[in-house]
Amino acid sequence: QKEVEQNSGPLSVPEGAIASLNCTYSDRGSQSFFWYRQYSGKSPELIMSIYSNGDKEDGRFTAQLNKASQYVSLLIRDSQPSDSATYLCAVSSGSARQLTFGSGTQLTVLP
Amino acid sequence: KAGVTQTPRYLIKTRGQQVTLSCSPISGHRSVSWYQQTPGQGLQFLFEYFSETQRNKGNFPGRFSGRQFSNSRSEMNVSTLELGDSALYLCASRDRDSPLHFGNGTRLTVT
Repeated sequence: QKEVEQNSGPLSVPEGAIASLNCTYSDRGSQSFFWYRQYSGKSPELIMSIYSNGDKEDGRFTAQLNKASQYVSLLIRDSQPSDSATYLCAVSSGSARQLTFGSGTQLTVLP
Repeated sequence: KAGVTQTPRYLIKTRGQQVTLSCSPISGHRSVSWYQQTPGQGLQFLFEYFSETQRNKGNFPGRFSGRQFSNSRSEMNVSTLELGDSALYLCASRDRDSPLHFGNGTRLTVT
């Protein structure tokens, strides 16, 4: 059974701080990794994708992947109240590239 | 490009009834996936269709079924509804191995 684990939180950070979200996965053969943001009552929205070891930066967001440790993280710099949402980690594996989601981490950025 | 379109947005049904949900993927996307989201269980994978064939299936009872048409549009059917089927049903499409793009979802309430 392929598993994706996230700390459910809630995680609270003050405005302007760095929010760090973590995710581990069980399938060592996983190939692609994604972070989705989901606001309450809305559908998930893709914010980052990462495919190789290392860091990938996009604006205030940085995704980090370590395949040896089976670990992927998302850093949000200069956190804003509008970043308050649930962040879902998703991992793609297998020949059909099936996507498995973690249970999500609820982030609250306090003004 | 237009996004993933799901209809209807809201549905109220009674136990024992059946329901059909519809999804139109992003133009050019041949893969359509369905997910169930509840507060307690998070995002649960139902099934994925690619070129009218079911490619992956999650651990849901046979009451949940789906199909995909030649134009990539997909429908999901739930028969003999139970109270526990109340959830947000999300459809997502992708092109080959690209990330999933979600629709706005159909919120189903079973009374």
